[in-house]
Amino acid sequence: DAGVTQSPTHLIKTRGQQVTLRCSPKSGHDTVSWYQQALGQGPQFIFQYYEEEERQRGNFPDRFSGHQFPNYSSELNVNALLLGDSALYLCASSLESSSYEQYFGPGTRLTVT
Amino acid sequence: GQNIDQPTEMTATEGAIVQINCTYQTSGFNGLFWYQQHAGEAPTFLSYNVLDGLEEKGRFSSFLSRSKGYSYLLLKELQMKDSASYLCAVREVATDSWGKFQFGAGTQVVVTP
Repeated sequence: DAGVTQSPTHLIKTRGQQVTLRCSPKSGHDTVSWYQQALGQGPQFIFQYYEEEERQRGNFPDRFSGHQFPNYSSELNVNALLLGDSALYLCASSLESSSYEQYFGPGTRLTVT
Repeated sequence: GQNIDQPTEMTATEGAIVQINCTYQTSGFNGLFWYQQHAGEAPTFLSYNVLDGLEEKGRFSSFLSRSKGYSYLLLKELQMKDSASYLCAVREVATDSWGKFQFGAGTQVVVTP
């Protein structure tokens, strides 16, 4: 049973560029949440997707956008990258019918130079 | 919004017990979660409390007092592999979903021989 997978593992971008991160949820899961984790901090909630729509959003600017596909996989897009966007980006999947199970992927380490 | 406070670091000896406290403020509580995160890895689920009281799972126990906005994670019979960051997370109630997670900054537990 495949867990949550994310790609790429690492990424280096230049300030002002755009980036797309990808996530495949655990088999059978239909909800995907994205988090940003700066070094030494806890994950910060970016947004959550269910039924291909953004359902919840944290305190992140519109430069952060996402998408969920019919197969439940998801993308996180960040435009006009800033140095402060350097972080570990975590994807977590869950099942809408479950009250607490949330499984994290290994993350994508984004470095903005 | 929510504030989640937990100590930055704790050190304990192998075989000992450590208690990690977490206090929170929330506008709508819908569960408290503890995650373990080893350096460079994704968070993994440890425990979930939605009602007051103690939940025990092997060497790990978690306690919740909703009236006090307080939880603790108790780690017994510490092992070297327990050296990790422990994240306290509160789920905030939402009308259209189980709600979004807010994480604390994490408590780094260092287990010494």
